[in-house]
Amino acid sequence: EVQLVESGGGLVQPGESLRLSCAASGFTFSTYWMTWVRQVPGKGLEWVANIKEDGYEKYYLDSVKGRFTISRDNAKKSLYLQMNSLRVDDTAVYYCTRGRGSGYWGQGTLVTVSS
Amino acid sequence: DVVMTQSPLSLPVTLGQPASISCRSSQSLVSSDGNTYLNWFQQRPGQSPRRLIYKVSNRDSGVPDRFSGSGSGTDFTLKISRVEAEDVGVYYCMQGTHWPGNTFGQGTKLEIK
Repeated sequence: EVQLVESGGGLVQPGESLRLSCAASGFTFSTYWMTWVRQVPGKGLEWVANIKEDGYEKYYLDSVKGRFTISRDNAKKSLYLQMNSLRVDDTAVYYCTRGRGSGYWGQGTLVTVSS
Repeated sequence: DVVMTQSPLSLPVTLGQPASISCRSSQSLVSSDGNTYLNWFQQRPGQSPRRLIYKVSNRDSGVPDRFSGSGSGTDFTLKISRVEAEDVGVYYCMQGTHWPGNTFGQGTKLEIK
């Protein structure tokens, strides 16, 4: 059974940093693109970033470029999102999803940026 | 950038009746490899999204056959043949053809009349 478990969310102040993690199991992690998608509570879905199987290709939403970094550790079957210089409008539930087509989703982790 | 437009945004449906959601893209979603990367997702209240349909018309594992997807180019449709109570939630289309990144529609909220 495919499982994606996010962690690392929390309450931070504007300008601070946070690192999200996603632990994958139930599939061969190293053979899939992985994607982060976020959702402001009560609003729609927004693609944030994704990373190729080998970690050498990465793509970002324009508004997070230069502030967020996606990475992965295939040996640990884990996906990460380093978020720096956080802004109030980054507040959202962040989902780890499998593949470029987001075939499987984790339960999400809430990031709240507020002073 | 590709814009995905769904309609209606709110869809009240009687149990047992059919439902249909439209999704239009601002550009053709036919990829250079010949595939059309248009997916549909369901998000039940309080849950994570779940993919229902990939590449226009392919149902994901475990998805009831009352759900079907169709369309081509820029116009796509998700149909539910007979709505059940468990179908309540928000439905999103998403394009994956134009990179980088994916683009979601605004979402359509399905509720029972």
